[in-house]
Amino acid sequence: DVKVTQSSRYLVKRTGEKVFLECVQDMDHENMFWYRQDPGLGLRLIYFSYDVKMKEKGDIPEGYSVSREKKERFSLILESASTNQTSMYLCAIESGAATEAFFGQGTRLTVV
Amino acid sequence: GEDVEQSLFLSVREGDSSVINCTYTDSSSTYLYWYKQEPGAGLQLLTYIFSNMDMKQDQRLTVLLNKKDKHLSLRIADTQTGDSAIYFCAEIPSGGSYIPTFGRGTSLIVHP
Repeated sequence: DVKVTQSSRYLVKRTGEKVFLECVQDMDHENMFWYRQDPGLGLRLIYFSYDVKMKEKGDIPEGYSVSREKKERFSLILESASTNQTSMYLCAIESGAATEAFFGQGTRLTVV
Repeated sequence: GEDVEQSLFLSVREGDSSVINCTYTDSSSTYLYWYKQEPGAGLQLLTYIFSNMDMKQDQRLTVLLNKKDKHLSLRIADTQTGDSAIYFCAEIPSGGSYIPTFGRGTSLIVHP
């Protein structure tokens, strides 16, 4: 069974805080992705990574950064959280062969 | 760039069939997918179709693919209240980027 684990299910942070969202996979997949999901907007790609220490900007990278120091772990960082970053954040992995994407359970982040 | 379009809402009566439609743009995708998201959860793969197929049936689910029109549909027979969820159409282009691209999601509401 594939496991993609996000560190928190629910998170409440204050405006201006630095926030870390962690994603860990047990599939040894190269490709990892961070999406945010908002009602009516679907899933929007924030950042992705093809390999350790490699990162690429997605469609909405502003206000976010990422870190991939180990193959199994992909972290999303909100340098200074703002209320418009209140959202559901989803981590996904893909093998690199254009096959299925597997998702974590999601982190619902509220910035107050 | 890649774009996946689907309608936002569908309401059906319990026991009826549901049909969720999707259009996509990238013809290089090897597989096309339907994901299901239940409230507060991540996305789970529901079914997929290989791009050289026209139809795939899996119990109550039927996927139809029209490659010429780049149109994908998901039919759920005998829809139950447990089928109420958001359904996402997705493609993973095999032309090099391997970035999963999702539609905005169709909220299926099943009422008695």
